[in-house]
Amino acid sequence: EVQLVESGGGLVQPGGSLRLSCAASGFTFSDHYMDWVRQAPGKGLEWVGRTRNKANSYIIEYAASVKGRFTISRDDSRSSLYLQMNSLKTEDTAVYHCVAEGSGSFFEFWGQGTLVTVSS
Amino acid sequence: DIQMTQSPSSLSASVGDRVTITCRASQSISTYLNWYQQKPGKAPKLLIYAATSLQTGVPSRFSGSGSGTDFTLTISSLQPEDFATYFCQQSYTTPDTFGQGTKLDIK
Repeated sequence: EVQLVESGGGLVQPGGSLRLSCAASGFTFSDHYMDWVRQAPGKGLEWVGRTRNKANSYIIEYAASVKGRFTISRDDSRSSLYLQMNSLKTEDTAVYHCVAEGSGSFFEFWGQGTLVTVSS
Repeated sequence: DIQMTQSPSSLSASVGDRVTITCRASQSISTYLNWYQQKPGKAPKLLIYAATSLQTGVPSRFSGSGSGTDFTLTISSLQPEDFATYFCQQSYTTPDTFGQGTKLDIK
């Protein structure tokens, strides 16, 4: 059974930092592109960024809204994905989902998400 | 960025109804279009990928069509468990973008 379990969310003040983790199991993590997708309360879905796999040079891409503030990394030996979030803004408040892509560039497996609240 | 526009934003229907949701892209995306279902408090679930391909385990009452800029998701006969919010997403180019969602509720 595929599982993606996020952790590390919580309440942080504007300008603060937070690091999210995602533990994957039930599939070959190293083969997959991995993404972060977020959803603000009561709103739609927003792609945050992705890391490609080793075969594609671990290339990382970000949404413009987080570029320069967020850093995605992965550890294939631990089947884990990370999101380091710095200089947080109130508009970063959202549930952050860890997502494994399928081979056809779709979001195949989703974690339940972890809530990040940026507020003073 | 490619803008994805869904219509309608909300829809009321009855069990057994045939329902169609539309997604329009601001430029051609070939068939790089995916559909997701989300229930309250849950993660989205992949239904359709590459515009027309049914994800494993998804009931055959769900179908997708379209190419270029105009796409549809059809549910042939609504079941009680289908009342949810549906999102389209383009994977033609980065950044991946989603439609605003269509909330389907019981009439």
